[in-house]
Amino acid sequence: GEDVEQSLFLSVREGDSSVINCTYTDSSSTYLYWYKQEPGAGLQLLTYIFSNMDMKQDQRLTVLLNKKDKHLSLRIADTQTGDSAIYFCAESIQEVGGSQGNLIFGKGTKLSVKP
Amino acid sequence: DAGITQSPRHKVTETGTPVTLRCHQTENHRYMYWYRQDPGHGLRLIHYSYGVKDTDKGEVSDGYSVSRSKTEDFLLTLESATSSQTSVYFCAISESGDEQFFGPGTRLTVL
Repeated sequence: GEDVEQSLFLSVREGDSSVINCTYTDSSSTYLYWYKQEPGAGLQLLTYIFSNMDMKQDQRLTVLLNKKDKHLSLRIADTQTGDSAIYFCAESIQEVGGSQGNLIFGKGTKLSVKP
Repeated sequence: DAGITQSPRHKVTETGTPVTLRCHQTENHRYMYWYRQDPGHGLRLIHYSYGVKDTDKGEVSDGYSVSRSKTEDFLLTLESATSSQTSVYFCAISESGDEQFFGPGTRLTVL
């Protein structure tokens, strides 16, 4: 079945770049997403990439997609303590016979930023 | 939170009691979802709705039912709560069925 894998933890120093990696299984995914969850809060959509793109940049965020290897990464430049959170990768899958896509989430990567 | 509210935000109940969680949106989005979030499992889809009175099961639907009588409201019911249903429940909405926006969550404890 579909699966999305992420490493569970990442620790960086303030000012460094963070790279969070994700692998997915469904080659027909149309969109891939990155969500951020701060403690006690819901998931906030950070960015997404369409499957026919290789890269998307949005201010400090860069998303790279290697469709051949089914690998997605999120790079956060100049990481700040406010970036400390759990980051979820998600792929959009189309249910067989269904009328819409559903999201399959990874288990999340906890990013800790040390001053 | 994209015009999504969940109620209650916290609830403690006893095993065997019925529980209903409410998700309300002001965005007039077609699709609505219920997820549960548990340590080690990430987010798992319980049920979703693709229109009024149109619902379908997700990955972990056993023990849960849903109803959507109005576009803006999606109810999740635990007919007889069990301790394994202790979790944080998130509602999400989507206009297209792809990009989803999440509510603030409901923390449910079943004793």
